[in-house]
Amino acid sequence: GQQVMQIPQYQHVQEGEDFTTYCNSSTTLSNIQWYKQRPGGHPVFLIQLVKSGEVKKQKRLTFQFGEAKKNSSLHITATQTTDVGTYFCAGLLSGTYKYIFGTGTRLKVLA
Amino acid sequence: DGGITQSPKYLFRKEGQNVTLSCEQNLNHDAMYWYRQDPGQGLRLIYYSQIVNDFQKGDIAEGYSVSREKKESFPLTVTSAQKNPTAFYLCASQNLRTYAQQNTEAFFGQGTRLTVV
Repeated sequence: GQQVMQIPQYQHVQEGEDFTTYCNSSTTLSNIQWYKQRPGGHPVFLIQLVKSGEVKKQKRLTFQFGEAKKNSSLHITATQTTDVGTYFCAGLLSGTYKYIFGTGTRLKVLA
Repeated sequence: DGGITQSPKYLFRKEGQNVTLSCEQNLNHDAMYWYRQDPGQGLRLIYYSQIVNDFQKGDIAEGYSVSREKKESFPLTVTSAQKNPTAFYLCASQNLRTYAQQNTEAFFGQGTRLTVV
């Protein structure tokens, strides 16, 4: 079946270090969304990428959508303790209305 | 306020009992979803519905049932057939039929933490 894998599963960084999580789909996606879930909370939408090769920035966060629309990445520059949480990608399968969530990357930031 | 509401926040179930988790949205979204999340894990899709009176099984539907009689409501029943129901359950809604894929983000409820006692 269709799968969306994320790597790494866990990442511990020192505050101030950079962090990247990668999202890989077995099938082509119409778009990809990114969500953040704080510990004990629910996922909250961050951004959506639609076009092949698209890059979007939100302050210290940079999101990319691959040329083949099968992979994506989220890069955080100079992490802060407020970045702690689990980051999920969610891909919309081409030709469907079905989003597949990635397995998530749990980020811990050490002060 | 527009949003999606889950209740209860915490739920305890005795073995062999069925329990129903509520999910209501006033966002006028067509699509609604139920996910299960185990500690430190990702989201696993239980059931989803793209329109009233229709729903599809997700990856882990066994031991669960749903209904979609109204656009606003998508209750999930955890049956006694679900052998390991202790988990965090998240409901989400989404507007999928939009122009140029705009405004299709999923909105999640606060979740229900179900524990078997």
